[in-house]
Amino acid sequence: NAGVTQTPKFQVLKTGQSMTLQCAQDMNHNSMYWYRQDPGMGLRLIYYSASEGTTDKGEVPNGYNVSRLNKREFSLRLESAAPSQTSVYFCASQRDRYTEAFFGQGTRLTVV
Amino acid sequence: QKEVEQNSGPLSVPEGAIASLNCTYSDRGSQSFFWYRQYSGKSPELIMSIYSNGDKEDGRFTAQLNKASQYVSLLIRDSQPSDSATYLCAVNGGATNKLIFGTGTLLAVQP
Repeated sequence: NAGVTQTPKFQVLKTGQSMTLQCAQDMNHNSMYWYRQDPGMGLRLIYYSASEGTTDKGEVPNGYNVSRLNKREFSLRLESAAPSQTSVYFCASQRDRYTEAFFGQGTRLTVV
Repeated sequence: QKEVEQNSGPLSVPEGAIASLNCTYSDRGSQSFFWYRQYSGKSPELIMSIYSNGDKEDGRFTAQLNKASQYVSLLIRDSQPSDSATYLCAVNGGATNKLIFGTGTLLAVQP
């Protein structure tokens, strides 16, 4: 039982490059989330998926797209990376709104 | 107004003292409230969850919820240096199913 698995753990991109952050959970959870964390800013919600087949914007969606591929997987895509997207990205999953969210180990992304 | 607000700190307390962490939220329909602890460079981990008004105790931790005042707090008794971390308040909104976090409070327990 791995919980929430994110790949990659570290990534360096050049401005304008694209990449996809992968997230998978094996807990049969309904909700999945992508957050970014910057110093002093806490966890800011980028996108979330309340259930398979649905996605919604969070607080800071600009520059990102997501895909809820199936119940297990929720990917985050940067189409044209910018230095402002340098951050630590966390994926999380939650059975429902009444239960705790479990986090992946994070992806440290640097855009140069 | 941010949806979930916390004092960023740092909050410094001596070892053995009580640390009090506070959080306010804006969505009156919120139903679930969580406290997470995050050590530097690590992922957040759940400490407490609370759903109804009043106090909930778990070991050295007590969560308090006041829905009328839209206020959640976390008390840490007998604080230890190992409690030094950032504490994140999270709220599951009533109108939507999104889990929103505050900016976190940095707690430093001095030996």
